[in-house]
Amino acid sequence: KAGVTQTPRYLIKTRGQQVTLSCSPISGHRSVSWYQQTPGQGLQFLFEYFSETQRNKGNFPGRFSGRQFSNSRSEMNVSTLELGDSALYLCASSLNQQGHGYTFGSGTRLTVV
Amino acid sequence: GENVEQHPSTLSVQEGDSAVIKCTYSDSASNYFPWYKQELGKRPQLIIDIRSNVGEKKDQRIAVTLNKTAKHFSLHITETQPEDSAVYFCAASGASGGSNYKLTFGKGTLLTVNP
Repeated sequence: KAGVTQTPRYLIKTRGQQVTLSCSPISGHRSVSWYQQTPGQGLQFLFEYFSETQRNKGNFPGRFSGRQFSNSRSEMNVSTLELGDSALYLCASSLNQQGHGYTFGSGTRLTVV
Repeated sequence: GENVEQHPSTLSVQEGDSAVIKCTYSDSASNYFPWYKQELGKRPQLIIDIRSNVGEKKDQRIAVTLNKTAKHFSLHITETQPEDSAVYFCAASGASGGSNYKLTFGKGTLLTVNP
């Protein structure tokens, strides 16, 4: 079966712009989480959604937002991009309602210039 | 909130030796502890996980142990092979409050298996 699909794979944006990243979970998975991965900070939790409800949010500024649609697909948006937002953004999905056993996508590599 | 410390940050072993990576967590309410392997340029992949009601779990050459009293858990890889070379991440997840539905990751261990 298809894995977690993230689009686009690579993105270059200018400071001040906004960006939307997309994630399609494994079919049947309703829990979707987003993580930011950087060399300095490692893997940092952004948000988690289940059945269109955000159940938890990480310690990121309000410029980071997300949502989940009725088909479990999820998007995250970053507004007013800063150089420090350059990172690999990973989406993960789980069949388990508790969010156990996450399968990660290959990520979107965002570069802010 | 939860804090996960992981040691060592780098580990180099000879092929066939064993490798051990250790993690400690701060939130005694954490109840789920997965380990992920990430090869260079690839996505993290779940290799094994353990829940708080279990002390040890094995899957072929990989095992994880959990000590809830001391709040630490470890990954053991036996008979290491060059293809085990990767960055390994431990994580913890809780059952309530701010730790619910999220994984808090350690900083990772770069394992190098020398042929």
